[in-house]
Amino acid sequence: EDQVTQSPEALRLQEGESSSLNCSYTVSGLRGLFWYRQDPGKGPEFLFTLYSAGEEKEKERLKATLTKKESFLHITAPKPEDSATYLCAVQAVDGGYNKLIFGAGTRLAVHP
Amino acid sequence: DVKVTQSSRYLVKRTGEKVFLECVQDMDHENMFWYRQDPGLGLRLIYFSYDVKMKEKGDIPEGYSVSREKKERFSLILESASTNQTSMYLCASREQGPRYEQYFGPGTRLTVT
Repeated sequence: EDQVTQSPEALRLQEGESSSLNCSYTVSGLRGLFWYRQDPGKGPEFLFTLYSAGEEKEKERLKATLTKKESFLHITAPKPEDSATYLCAVQAVDGGYNKLIFGAGTRLAVHP
Repeated sequence: DVKVTQSSRYLVKRTGEKVFLECVQDMDHENMFWYRQDPGLGLRLIYFSYDVKMKEKGDIPEGYSVSREKKERFSLILESASTNQTSMYLCASREQGPRYEQYFGPGTRLTVT
């Protein structure tokens, strides 16, 4: 069964304290892995797509990496405005259609 | 920029009412999706549509139906709302092609009492 697991569920950081969020997955033939940011009461905002092991993408203080079994979202010197829930999703094929399977997310809180 | 809008941010309905949630996208995307999001469960796909008048069931279609009469608009219908349908509902769209990233609307927080 295709599955996405994110850890930790919640993470509290001090401003400037770098860390990583994990997304592990089991899927038959990975076609894409996606990271989203979601602020409270809002819809997810697209961040990155990764397609193959070894690929990396960067945006400001965020860097996403991908291996054959997991992806990491590295946050370097975070600021309070980076506080949000980060969602990971994998693209899977079901019944001939592509769909996204989402993890439950990691709630990140960055304190000044 | 892709813009996906949803008709209401917050909605309160009574058990048994028929509820319409509307979603509009302005990027001429072929594909549209409805999800619900509940704490600890992540986003779960309710229905999706790959073209006008076309619909496919997602993982949790029971109690819901959809309508796509125009390319830019995708409606989710709760025929008879129940308390277990209290949730955050998210609409998304994507363009046809190899890139599969989906773009989400702001969500509708539905409470059924």
